[in-house]
Amino acid sequence: SQQGEEDPQALSIQEGENATMNCSYKTSINNLQWYRQNSGRGLVHLILIRSNEREKHSGRLRVTLDTSKKSSSLLITASRAADTASYFCATDVATGNQFYFGTGTSLTVIP
Amino acid sequence: EAGVAQSPRYKIIEKRQSVAFWCNPISGHATLYWYQQILGQGPKLLIQFQNNGVVDDSQLPKDRFSAERLKGVDSTLKIQPAKLEDSAVYLCASSLAGAGSGGYTFGSGTRLTVV
Repeated sequence: SQQGEEDPQALSIQEGENATMNCSYKTSINNLQWYRQNSGRGLVHLILIRSNEREKHSGRLRVTLDTSKKSSSLLITASRAADTASYFCATDVATGNQFYFGTGTSLTVIP
Repeated sequence: EAGVAQSPRYKIIEKRQSVAFWCNPISGHATLYWYQQILGQGPKLLIQFQNNGVVDDSQLPKDRFSAERLKGVDSTLKIQPAKLEDSAVYLCASSLAGAGSGGYTFGSGTRLTVV
């Protein structure tokens, strides 16, 4: 499968703690993106990291990419209850016009 | 900027019936995608349009699924006849010039239940 795989499948933390989720993939990529999906809603694009980048920040989000290990991580710092959602990585394995989504990490932030 | 519009939000049909979903992408977005998301799984790409031409439909079950993009703007996805395993959320997304430029914008999806 060309899909990425997220780990863990589910994560439950207290508000204020940091949340880390990982994504592993199988083939060489051009880009990797992270998306958030609230229950019953569409996906929201969070951040894109290119294959020549190692780390990227956006607000409370930090994404790392290790192409040698074919893995990426998403760190959410100082989590809030509103961060409760499913998080998906999406990998581009070809032209940059298609992304293949992983199975997602379900994050629950307890107030 | 208006988002990606999809309708209907929910649809319940019996197996072997037909159903159609509609998507209106963000104005000016040349690329449009349909994804199928089964409960508990990540979205799976069904078809990708560039303007009104099909770029990739390799994962579209063509014996029962069809899609078109009218005049390079709106798109419809049809299932005929539906099977129980087609129960899923169908997501439409659009992007300016491929997702590598900054990601997709997704609609809220159509939740299909086949009974």
